[in-house]
Amino acid sequence: EVQVLESGGALVQPGGSLRLSCSVSGFTFSFYAMSWVRQAPGKGLEWVSAISGSTGDTYYADSVKGRFTISRDNSENTLWLQMNSLRVEDTAIYYCAREKAAVGYGMDVWGQGTTVTVSS
Amino acid sequence: SYELTQPPSVSVSPGQTARITCSGDELGDQYVSWYQKRPGQSPTLVIYQNNERPSGVPERFSGSNSGNTATLIISGTQAVDEADYYCQAWDSSTVVVFGGVVFGGGTKLTVL
Repeated sequence: EVQVLESGGALVQPGGSLRLSCSVSGFTFSFYAMSWVRQAPGKGLEWVSAISGSTGDTYYADSVKGRFTISRDNSENTLWLQMNSLRVEDTAIYYCAREKAAVGYGMDVWGQGTTVTVSS
Repeated sequence: SYELTQPPSVSVSPGQTARITCSGDELGDQYVSWYQKRPGQSPTLVIYQNNERPSGVPERFSGSNSGNTATLIISGTQAVDEADYYCQAWDSSTVVVFGGVVFGGGTKLTVL
């Protein structure tokens, strides 16, 4: 069964750091690009970052560029999102999603999400 | 940056056809995906590459994309289809480098 499972969400103070993990199973991880998408309370979906499957090319939304870093280990079937200098507006449910083809062509497998709360 | 515009809400009677639009500059020149999002659940891909359905998605879901507007069409809408729907494309405002992925603001579909 194809699965993605996020973890690492927590309550953190503004300016703090957090690392989210996404563990996958049931498919050849290195074949697929992966994205992180978030949904703030009462708001819509917002794409955060993506990474290609084999080359490791990375892409970021302007709202997180310079603060967040996406990475992956294809041997461990794991994706990460390192979040630094967190702001209150980063509060959201963060989803890990598999890109069906290349980045931007549709995300066909989603995790259940992990909650990040940035508050003092 | 690139923006995708959706109506905040659409209402439809059971059994009728629902159409949800997504507008963006020259949107017809790229692929559009659509997602269904129910409260408390993860998003689900219902259309990719403008009009392709993933396996398991009912045939009543279809899509089109031309000019500046993409449309998600739900034929014979059922109560179970009540959810938020999001279009997604990529940021085509930059020419030289990949600009990233963009979601529309979402449309709440109400089945009355």
